[in-house]
Amino acid sequence: DQQVKQNSPSLSVQEGRISILNCDYTNSMFDYFLWYKKYPAEGPTFLISISSIKDKNEDGRFTVFLNKSAKHLSLHIVPSQPGDSAVYFCAASAQGSGGSNYKLTFGKGTLLTVNP
Amino acid sequence: DTAVSQTPKYLVTQMGNDKSIKCEQNLGHDTMYWYKQDSKKFLKIMFSYNNKELIINETVPNRFSPKSPDKAHLNLHINSLELGDSAVYFCASSQWDRGNTGELFFGEGSRLTVL
Repeated sequence: DQQVKQNSPSLSVQEGRISILNCDYTNSMFDYFLWYKKYPAEGPTFLISISSIKDKNEDGRFTVFLNKSAKHLSLHIVPSQPGDSAVYFCAASAQGSGGSNYKLTFGKGTLLTVNP
Repeated sequence: DTAVSQTPKYLVTQMGNDKSIKCEQNLGHDTMYWYKQDSKKFLKIMFSYNNKELIINETVPNRFSPKSPDKAHLNLHINSLELGDSAVYFCASSQWDRGNTGELFFGEGSRLTVL
């Protein structure tokens, strides 16, 4: 049961244009969402996150939008650069009332290729 | 200075063997994890330890046994390896306090191939 879905396995964009990566989730208990970026032969690295109390979070060229009613989030990269070429994973967690640990559920990832 | 380091990076072994993957983090985090990325590319959590205590234990065969000698180390031992165990295993750590983002810091992964 895929609770976090990234339906596009790959995306190709031109340098300088906008990249939009999409993610859907099914578990209504998820209240925290993250995007990770992964280069080949490396581990995923944290990129940006958003809490369910917000609908937008921006960090430089990266913006994450959350539509709770649609259970959908997206990552916008603008302008896209060749160095952004990587696999992007969407992840979600149900932090609830808190605690000292939590679990991330990941999507399958989307391979972004930014062409010069 | 690598924050989360795993050894070995590559491991090729025969079915039925026992193998271990080691992980160390120098970030001072209180929580460590093992994730598995299989051929379908999903990253799935296997185990999590908080301050050396097992917190998360997903549906994983009991051939897999994690061990956390201290907060900075989490090792994964696999007995009687099977073909389906072939995957990339990622170690990760985090520091989760109330209000903290709890983002994970991943190691580079250990690619296990069972022949």
